[in-house]
Amino acid sequence: QVRLVQSGAEMKKPGSSVKVSCQTSGDSLNTYTITWVRQVPGHGLEWMGGIIPALGRVNYAQTFEERVTITADKSSNTAYMTLRSLRFEDTGVYYCAREFYYMDVWGKGTAVTVSS
Amino acid sequence: QSALTQPPSVSGSPGQSVTISCTGTGSDIGTYDYVSWYQHHPGRPPQLIIYDVNQRPSGVPDRFSGSKSGNTASLTISGLQAEDEADYHCCSYAGSYSYVFGSGTKVTVL
Repeated sequence: QVRLVQSGAEMKKPGSSVKVSCQTSGDSLNTYTITWVRQVPGHGLEWMGGIIPALGRVNYAQTFEERVTITADKSSNTAYMTLRSLRFEDTGVYYCAREFYYMDVWGKGTAVTVSS
Repeated sequence: QSALTQPPSVSGSPGQSVTISCTGTGSDIGTYDYVSWYQHHPGRPPQLIIYDVNQRPSGVPDRFSGSKSGNTASLTISGLQAEDEADYHCCSYAGSYSYVFGSGTKVTVL
């Protein structure tokens, strides 16, 4: 059974960057698409972007495209999401998910706290 | 891409039915039959309960059903149970490998 294992909670200062990892367990990263979704307090889920590791194709939501980078290391079956220029309002939980026009397998989430 | 519009909250008594609407545009829900719904309990990752408008993944109770008309998708929970109390989020494919989520709806079981 496929699992997505995310990195641990992060505390960052405003203006810095955070890099969250998502490792697949039980299947190759090449088999599907990984998407990143976040939830910040008071908001619904937000799609940030995704990557098709087999094709090397990446796409970002307009809201995040200037600040986010999504990459994948096929050798370690790990996808990464880097969010730059962090703001207080970026505090929330960041999820990776397997995606086939829907997100059927989710990581447990990585809490990111932006605080001075 | 603006978030899909959902009511902030709906409520019902055990055994009743509730329906959550999810309104988008002709660029997302109106064009693609790739609408999905997620149940989200605090502290846990979201769980897929409906995909491709009206398909249920294995293990999801049949009291959850989905539909779509024009630019609006709907999730109906029939025979509401206490464990259904959660946040529900819709999501639509929006073309060019992009997605848009709804604003989320809190379901309260009275």
